[in-house]
Amino acid sequence: AQKVTQAQTEISVVEKEDVTLDCVYETRDTTYYLFWYKQPPSGELVFLIRRNSFDEQNEISGRYSWNFQKSTSSFNFTITASQVVDSAVYFCALSELKHQLTFGKGTKLSVIP
Amino acid sequence: DTGVSQDPRHKITKRGQNVTFRCDPISEHNRLYWYRQTLGQGPEFLTYFQNEAQLEKSRLLSDRFSAERPKGSFSTLEIQRTEQGDSAMYLCASRGGRGENEQFFGPGTRLTVL
Repeated sequence: AQKVTQAQTEISVVEKEDVTLDCVYETRDTTYYLFWYKQPPSGELVFLIRRNSFDEQNEISGRYSWNFQKSTSSFNFTITASQVVDSAVYFCALSELKHQLTFGKGTKLSVIP
Repeated sequence: DTGVSQDPRHKITKRGQNVTFRCDPISEHNRLYWYRQTLGQGPEFLTYFQNEAQLEKSRLLSDRFSAERPKGSFSTLEIQRTEQGDSAMYLCASRGGRGENEQFFGPGTRLTVL
Protein backbone atom coordinates (compact mmCIF):
# COMPACT_ATOMS: atom_id res chain seq x y z
CA ALA A 1 0.00 0.00 0.00
CA GLN A 2 1.19 3.48 -0.70
CA LYS A 3 1.39 6.19 1.90
CA VAL A 4 2.52 9.81 2.08
CA THR A 5 3.49 11.46 5.34
CA GLN A 6 3.78 15.19 5.84
CA ALA A 7 4.84 15.44 9.45
CA GLN A 8 4.58 19.21 9.64
CA THR A 9 0.97 20.20 10.17
CA GLU A 10 1.52 23.94 10.31
CA ILE A 11 4.52 26.20 9.76
CA SER A 12 4.78 29.94 10.27
CA VAL A 13 7.64 31.99 8.88
CA VAL A 14 8.36 35.66 8.56
CA GLU A 15 8.41 37.04 5.04
CA LYS A 16 11.75 36.57 3.21
CA GLU A 17 12.71 33.55 5.31
CA ASP A 18 13.40 30.23 3.60
CA VAL A 19 11.17 27.31 4.48
CA THR A 20 11.31 23.58 3.74
CA LEU A 21 8.26 21.37 3.65
CA ASP A 22 8.95 17.71 4.30
CA CYS A 23 7.41 14.74 2.52
CA VAL A 24 8.14 11.07 3.12
CA TYR A 25 6.52 8.37 1.04
CA GLU A 26 6.06 4.60 1.05
CA THR A 27 5.50 2.43 -1.99
CA ARG A 28 6.31 -1.10 -3.12
CA ASP A 29 6.44 -0.16 -6.78
CA THR A 30 9.70 0.65 -8.52
CA THR A 31 7.97 3.03 -10.91
CA TYR A 32 6.05 5.85 -9.33
CA TYR A 33 5.50 9.59 -9.55
CA LEU A 34 5.67 12.26 -6.90
CA PHE A 35 3.85 15.57 -6.94
CA TRP A 36 3.43 18.78 -5.01
CA TYR A 37 0.20 20.75 -5.10
CA LYS A 38 -0.66 24.12 -3.57
CA GLN A 39 -4.12 24.82 -2.15
CA PRO A 40 -4.58 28.54 -1.48
CA PRO A 41 -7.47 29.80 0.65
CA SER A 42 -9.65 29.88 -2.47
CA GLY A 43 -9.55 26.08 -2.37
CA GLU A 44 -8.44 25.07 -5.86
CA LEU A 45 -5.51 22.66 -6.00
CA VAL A 46 -2.71 24.00 -8.14
CA PHE A 47 -0.15 21.63 -9.65
CA LEU A 48 3.45 22.62 -8.89
CA ILE A 49 5.75 19.78 -9.92
CA ARG A 50 5.99 16.11 -10.92
CA ARG A 51 9.01 13.85 -10.50
CA ASN A 52 9.49 10.33 -11.82
CA SER A 53 11.01 7.64 -9.63
CA PHE A 54 13.84 7.09 -12.08
CA ASP A 55 14.86 10.75 -12.14
CA GLU A 56 16.45 11.92 -8.91
CA GLN A 57 17.70 15.16 -10.32
CA ASN A 58 16.73 18.06 -8.12
CA GLU A 59 14.78 20.89 -9.67
CA ILE A 60 14.65 24.62 -9.20
CA SER A 61 11.93 26.90 -10.49
CA GLY A 62 12.32 30.48 -9.43
CA ARG A 63 12.03 30.59 -5.63
CA TYR A 64 10.90 26.96 -5.50
CA SER A 65 13.20 23.95 -5.33
CA TRP A 66 12.63 20.26 -4.78
CA ASN A 67 14.96 17.65 -3.33
CA PHE A 68 14.13 14.05 -4.26
CA GLN A 69 16.09 11.34 -2.43
CA LYS A 70 15.12 7.72 -3.05
CA SER A 71 17.49 6.49 -0.34
CA THR A 72 15.38 8.19 2.32
CA SER A 73 12.06 8.08 0.39
CA SER A 74 11.76 11.82 0.68
CA PHE A 75 10.64 14.57 -1.66
CA ASN A 76 11.11 17.87 0.13
CA PHE A 77 10.05 21.28 -1.10
CA THR A 78 11.90 24.50 -0.30
CA ILE A 79 10.62 28.01 -0.80
CA THR A 80 13.35 30.61 -0.80
CA ALA A 81 12.65 34.19 0.32
CA SER A 82 9.05 33.40 1.19
CA GLN A 83 6.28 35.86 0.36
CA VAL A 84 2.82 36.39 1.79
CA VAL A 85 1.33 34.97 -1.42
CA ASP A 86 3.00 31.66 -0.59
CA SER A 87 0.57 31.22 2.31
CA ALA A 88 -1.43 28.09 1.52
CA VAL A 89 -1.75 24.42 2.29
CA TYR A 90 0.80 22.36 0.40
CA PHE A 91 0.18 18.72 -0.43
CA CYS A 92 2.65 16.07 -1.42
CA ALA A 93 1.18 13.19 -3.44
CA LEU A 94 2.24 9.86 -4.88
CA SER A 95 0.91 7.84 -7.77
CA GLU A 96 1.86 4.37 -8.89
CA LEU A 97 0.83 2.76 -12.14
CA LYS A 98 -2.82 2.84 -11.12
CA HIS A 99 -2.78 6.58 -11.65
CA GLN A 100 -4.81 7.78 -8.70
CA LEU A 101 -3.06 10.14 -6.33
CA THR A 102 -2.44 9.35 -2.69
CA PHE A 103 -2.08 12.60 -0.80
CA GLY A 104 -0.47 13.49 2.48
CA LYS A 105 -2.47 15.44 5.03
CA GLY A 106 -0.89 18.69 3.95
CA THR A 107 1.24 21.36 5.57
CA LYS A 108 -0.33 24.74 6.21
CA LEU A 109 2.21 27.46 5.56
CA SER A 110 1.61 30.93 6.94
CA VAL A 111 3.96 33.68 5.81
CA ILE A 112 3.79 36.66 8.13
CA PRO A 113 4.58 40.09 6.71
CA ASP B 1 -11.13 29.26 -19.71
CA THR B 2 -9.85 25.81 -20.65
CA GLY B 3 -9.43 24.38 -17.14
CA VAL B 4 -11.52 21.82 -15.29
CA SER B 5 -14.92 23.16 -14.27
CA GLN B 6 -17.36 21.86 -11.67
CA ASP B 7 -20.96 22.66 -10.99
CA PRO B 8 -22.38 23.61 -8.57
CA ARG B 9 -19.67 25.18 -6.46
CA HIS B 10 -21.74 24.87 -3.31
CA LYS B 11 -24.62 22.59 -2.41
CA ILE B 12 -26.60 22.53 0.81
CA THR B 13 -29.04 19.69 1.21
CA LYS B 14 -31.06 17.96 3.87
CA ARG B 15 -30.16 14.49 5.05
CA GLY B 16 -31.81 11.85 2.91
CA GLN B 17 -31.93 13.90 -0.28
CA ASN B 18 -30.14 12.99 -3.48
CA VAL B 19 -27.54 15.29 -5.01
CA THR B 20 -25.70 15.29 -8.33
CA PHE B 21 -22.48 17.07 -9.22
CA ARG B 22 -21.05 17.70 -12.65
CA CYS B 23 -17.45 17.89 -13.84
CA ASP B 24 -16.24 19.11 -17.23
CA PRO B 25 -12.61 18.09 -17.78
CA ILE B 26 -10.03 19.79 -19.94
CA SER B 27 -11.27 19.02 -23.43
CA GLU B 28 -8.44 16.84 -24.72
CA HIS B 29 -8.05 14.87 -21.46
CA ASN B 30 -9.33 11.30 -21.60
CA ARG B 31 -8.77 10.47 -17.93
CA LEU B 32 -11.04 11.82 -15.20
CA TYR B 33 -10.87 11.38 -11.43
CA TRP B 34 -13.13 12.15 -8.48
CA TYR B 35 -11.73 12.83 -5.02
CA ARG B 36 -13.25 13.81 -1.69
CA GLN B 37 -11.60 16.19 0.74
CA THR B 38 -12.72 16.72 4.32
CA LEU B 39 -11.52 19.53 6.57
CA GLY B 40 -7.87 19.29 7.47
CA GLN B 41 -7.22 16.28 5.28
CA GLY B 42 -5.74 15.66 1.89
CA PRO B 43 -8.01 14.62 -0.98
CA GLU B 44 -8.97 10.94 -1.06
CA PHE B 45 -9.49 9.05 -4.29
CA LEU B 46 -13.04 7.95 -5.13
CA THR B 47 -13.14 6.80 -8.74
CA TYR B 48 -11.39 6.96 -12.11
CA PHE B 49 -12.57 6.98 -15.73
CA GLN B 50 -10.63 6.45 -18.89
CA ASN B 51 -12.87 7.76 -21.63
CA GLU B 52 -16.32 6.43 -20.73
CA ALA B 53 -15.10 3.37 -18.83
CA GLN B 54 -15.04 3.46 -15.04
CA LEU B 55 -11.84 1.55 -14.34
CA GLU B 56 -11.34 1.96 -10.62
CA LYS B 57 -13.50 2.56 -7.57
CA SER B 58 -12.32 3.17 -4.03
CA ARG B 59 -13.77 1.36 -1.06
CA LEU B 60 -14.83 4.85 0.04
CA LEU B 61 -17.42 4.78 -2.73
CA SER B 62 -20.38 3.19 -0.99
CA ASP B 63 -23.48 1.88 -2.75
CA ARG B 64 -25.09 5.29 -2.34
CA PHE B 65 -22.50 6.83 -4.67
CA SER B 66 -22.56 6.44 -8.42
CA ALA B 67 -20.51 8.10 -11.11
CA GLU B 68 -20.90 8.19 -14.85
CA ARG B 69 -19.07 9.59 -17.80
CA PRO B 70 -21.30 9.16 -20.83
CA LYS B 71 -19.51 9.60 -24.17
CA GLY B 72 -16.23 10.13 -22.36
CA SER B 73 -16.75 13.85 -21.90
CA PHE B 74 -18.28 15.34 -18.76
CA SER B 75 -18.86 13.26 -15.65
CA THR B 76 -21.51 13.23 -12.95
CA LEU B 77 -21.26 12.06 -9.36
CA GLU B 78 -24.52 11.27 -7.62
CA ILE B 79 -25.00 10.66 -3.93
CA GLN B 80 -28.29 9.09 -2.91
CA ARG B 81 -29.85 9.38 0.54
CA THR B 82 -27.21 11.81 1.73
CA GLU B 83 -25.85 11.55 5.26
CA GLN B 84 -24.14 14.18 7.38
CA GLY B 85 -20.89 12.29 6.95
CA ASP B 86 -21.04 13.02 3.22
CA SER B 87 -20.34 16.70 3.91
CA ALA B 88 -17.04 17.42 2.17
CA MET B 89 -15.45 19.05 -0.83
CA TYR B 90 -15.80 16.91 -3.94
CA LEU B 91 -12.96 17.47 -6.37
CA CYS B 92 -12.69 16.48 -9.99
CA ALA B 93 -9.41 16.20 -11.85
CA SER B 94 -8.45 15.36 -15.40
CA ARG B 95 -5.30 14.14 -17.03
CA GLY B 96 -4.01 13.74 -20.52
CA GLY B 97 -2.65 10.66 -22.22
CA ARG B 98 0.51 8.67 -21.73
CA GLY B 99 3.47 10.62 -20.45
CA GLU B 100 1.32 13.32 -18.94
CA ASN B 101 0.97 12.17 -15.37
CA GLU B 102 -0.08 15.35 -13.66
CA GLN B 103 -3.72 15.79 -12.79
CA PHE B 104 -5.37 19.18 -13.04
CA PHE B 105 -8.08 19.92 -10.54
CA GLY B 106 -11.32 21.83 -10.72
CA PRO B 107 -12.50 24.26 -8.04
CA GLY B 108 -14.56 21.60 -6.29
CA THR B 109 -18.14 21.30 -5.10
CA ARG B 110 -18.60 21.91 -1.39
CA LEU B 111 -21.43 19.75 -0.06
CA THR B 112 -23.10 20.47 3.25
CA VAL B 113 -25.63 17.96 4.52
CA LEU B 114 -27.88 19.32 7.27
